[in-house]
Amino acid sequence: NAGVTQTPKFQVLKTGQSMTLQCAQDMNHEYMSWYRQDPGMGLRLIHYSVGAGITDQGEVPNGYNVSRSTTEDFPLRLLSAAPSQTSVYFCASSYSGTGGPYEQYFGPGTRLTVT
Amino acid sequence: AQTVTQSQPEMSVQEAETVTLSCTYDTSENNYYLFWYKQPPSRQMILVIRQEAYKQQNATENRFSVNFQKAAKSFSLKISDSQLGDTAMYFCASHTGANSKLTFGKGITLSVRP
Repeated sequence: NAGVTQTPKFQVLKTGQSMTLQCAQDMNHEYMSWYRQDPGMGLRLIHYSVGAGITDQGEVPNGYNVSRSTTEDFPLRLLSAAPSQTSVYFCASSYSGTGGPYEQYFGPGTRLTVT
Repeated sequence: AQTVTQSQPEMSVQEAETVTLSCTYDTSENNYYLFWYKQPPSRQMILVIRQEAYKQQNATENRFSVNFQKAAKSFSLKISDSQLGDTAMYFCASHTGANSKLTFGKGITLSVRP
């Protein structure tokens, strides 16, 4: 199993540009999520999905869009990049069902810089 | 809403010694799960240890163990026989169950000195 994969690993954007961060998992996990990591802030949830066709907002959703057309893929779209979106982005997935412990498996992250 | 607090931003320990990283949390749920994740300089998030709240016994994974005090809502991580490879940022996190959100603390940077 490849686990959770993310592309690209690094990206530089200009203010106002749009782009999509890709995330895929091969563990048949229903639950997927996107986090951003900023210094001194820990990881904050952007959007999450509990299954194909179902998404919801997390703590910091503004400026980001998601969709979930398949179980495997959960792309994150930046609609109009801003310098405040400079961050490291992590995608994660987990088993979703009764019994726990709902450990989340993380991708390697994408470092995004917006100039 | 869940909150997770890690009040120490940095710690340092001599190689082979023991160090304890603190974490407190707040939740109104009875059934929840607690985790410690390690993030080395490679940036990869690695699960260190997990604890189910309904289990009274403290979880242990080799040199890593937790002190879970449910009434005090405290979940500290003890690293025994510290190794240089333990140098990393450590995050405490809580989760209340299926389809719920993982809430992270702000993390603590641990440096192991040779």
